[in-house]
Amino acid sequence: DTGVSQDPRHKITKRGQNVTFRCDPISEHNRLYWYRQTLGQGPEFLTYFQNEAQLEKSRLLSDRFSAERPKGSFSTLEIQRTEQGDSAMYLCASSFSTSGMYEQYFGPGTRLTVT
Amino acid sequence: LAKTTQPISMDSYEGQEVNITCSHNNIATNDYITWYQQFPSQGPRFIIQGYKTKVTNEVASLFIPADRKSSTLSLPRVSLSDTAVYYCLVGASGNTGKLIFGQGTTLQVKP
Repeated sequence: DTGVSQDPRHKITKRGQNVTFRCDPISEHNRLYWYRQTLGQGPEFLTYFQNEAQLEKSRLLSDRFSAERPKGSFSTLEIQRTEQGDSAMYLCASSFSTSGMYEQYFGPGTRLTVT
Repeated sequence: LAKTTQPISMDSYEGQEVNITCSHNNIATNDYITWYQQFPSQGPRFIIQGYKTKVTNEVASLFIPADRKSSTLSLPRVSLSDTAVYYCLVGASGNTGKLIFGQGTTLQVKP
């Protein structure tokens, strides 16, 4: 399977703990995005990488959130001191910058539950 | 990016054609119209994209009138497996290509 993969698929954590999610994009894609989706809502943009450079961060991304994409391959999203409001599905997507506009390939997501 | 308005939900029966309309009155000259499909517990999936008139692929058709202030996603002969949320997105790729999703339309296909 050469699609976007995310790990873990589910994570349950206690409030105040740190969590880290991983995304492996399609190998030839140079753009990588993180989104967050809560129940009944569409995904919300969090941050964007072109290769290893993080070029945009949403205001939704508080100081407790950090994302990296070392060497322009896989990416990690870390949430420190989790809060119940962080409970959501975290989606990763990738695309190739010269492909059709808005055609992003999404992974299955990581569902985070903060108790 | 242009704001979009689409119905919150729609019901249909197997074998029927389903048309989901999206309004985007403030669409800009260089904006494309794109539709994504999302099944429960999965990430969204690109369905179709267009700029004007009509676009058709193996999954759906997209109709865009001349003024481009609305668009209609047409799904021919739906099946139970087409039950999903459908998102209409409008905007140019810009520098980042980030996607701005609305609430989408939840399509329920009944037997």
